[in-house]
Amino acid sequence: AQSVTQPDIHITVSEGASLELRCNYSYGATPYLFWYVQSPGQGLQLLLKYFSGDTLVQGIKGFEAEFKRSQSSFNLRKPSVHWSDAAEYFCAVGPQEGDYKLSFGAGTTVTVRA
Amino acid sequence: KAGVTQTPRYLIKTRGQQVTLSCSPISGHRSVSWYQQTPGQGLQFLFEYFSETQRNKGNFPGRFSGRQFSNSRSEMNVSTLELGDSALYLCASSGTAHTGELFFGEGSRLTVL
Repeated sequence: AQSVTQPDIHITVSEGASLELRCNYSYGATPYLFWYVQSPGQGLQLLLKYFSGDTLVQGIKGFEAEFKRSQSSFNLRKPSVHWSDAAEYFCAVGPQEGDYKLSFGAGTTVTVRA
Repeated sequence: KAGVTQTPRYLIKTRGQQVTLSCSPISGHRSVSWYQQTPGQGLQFLFEYFSETQRNKGNFPGRFSGRQFSNSRSEMNVSTLELGDSALYLCASSGTAHTGELFFGEGSRLTVL
């Protein structure tokens, strides 16, 4: 069964500092991987996705993620954080053949301090 | 291009009542999924519809049901509400369901008293 682990529940980072959010997945084949962001009171917005090919993928808002098959990881990074990046971030994997669903991690809440 | 629209955004019900939530997907998207989000359980898959057919259902009791109409709009219904059904219910649509790239609405916040 597919699953996602986000080891960090909460991260605090200073504005202008770099950010890295960890994601580990369990999946039986080549995964489709996603990072979504959720601002308070809002739905989820897709930041970036990995389907195949180049293991470093670029997303919106200056985010990037690197797929590492050997480590079953898909970590999200941003070189310089802005106050508006404060939100909850979800890593997701899927779908497997025929099940048409994403499996989400528990999420990482990012707080940005001035 | 309009995004995914969910109505109502907020609602309060009492135990034992039923509720119907509505979702209008992005134009041209034929796949609609529903997720329940709670602080304790996170994001949990409820069901997915494509061309009016339910293709997958999550591990929820039969009180949770849904349907999709010919125009791809979807509704979900929860009967005999329990306190634990209080959650944010998120609808997502996809033009290519096999890849899992979902576009989410802002959700319907249900509070059960």
